[in-house]
Amino acid sequence: GDSVTQMEGPVTLSEEAFLTINCTYTATGYPSLFWYVQYPGEGLQLLLKATKADDKGSNKGFEATYRKETTSFHLEKGSVQVSDSAVYFCALPSRTGGFKTIFGAGTRLFVKA
Amino acid sequence: EPEVTQTPSHQVTQMGQEVILRCVPISNHLYFYWYRQILGQKVEFLVSFYNNEISEKSEIFDDQFSVERPDGSNFTLKIRSTKLEDSAMYFCASSPLGGADSYEQYFGPGTRLTVT
Repeated sequence: GDSVTQMEGPVTLSEEAFLTINCTYTATGYPSLFWYVQYPGEGLQLLLKATKADDKGSNKGFEATYRKETTSFHLEKGSVQVSDSAVYFCALPSRTGGFKTIFGAGTRLFVKA
Repeated sequence: EPEVTQTPSHQVTQMGQEVILRCVPISNHLYFYWYRQILGQKVEFLVSFYNNEISEKSEIFDDQFSVERPDGSNFTLKIRSTKLEDSAMYFCASSPLGGADSYEQYFGPGTRLTVT
């Protein structure tokens, strides 16, 4: 079935460092891909999405490119801030019946001042 | 901007008690969902609901769980007899359409359920 695998955390970076959080997926066809963010004590917010191969989603300085050939959707940011400290989830809509979103395990990011 | 709301934000209950978690989806959305996140773990799908019936449910969603849309605005998750392992954050979500790839789901802030 469809699945998402993302790098384990936690990831600890200093402010202004470069961030990469890896995400790969297994799916039938070419679904949309999402990154959700969960700030401490809060719910899930959609950070960015890409709906087809080679699309680049971007928001708040974060980017991710839908790579069909490597089945990847890695999240990047050129210069992280303390306020980016959160848990990041890679996700895709299931295409194997029903209407649900499949989430990766989440990667916790700590950014130090 | 419209948003999904959930009440209460935190519910503490004793093992064996019934709890009802409430959600108000975005008003023009047609598909509704519940997810669960045990502390520190991944977000897991529980159930989807459309046209007043369950579209899909996971193996987690056993006979202890039920969902209902009692009126035009609320969407509820009931756990009949809570267990310790039901302690988790429960997220409600809604979407304007279901199954279509490009439609993301909009999540509420969650209800933290603590079973003692």
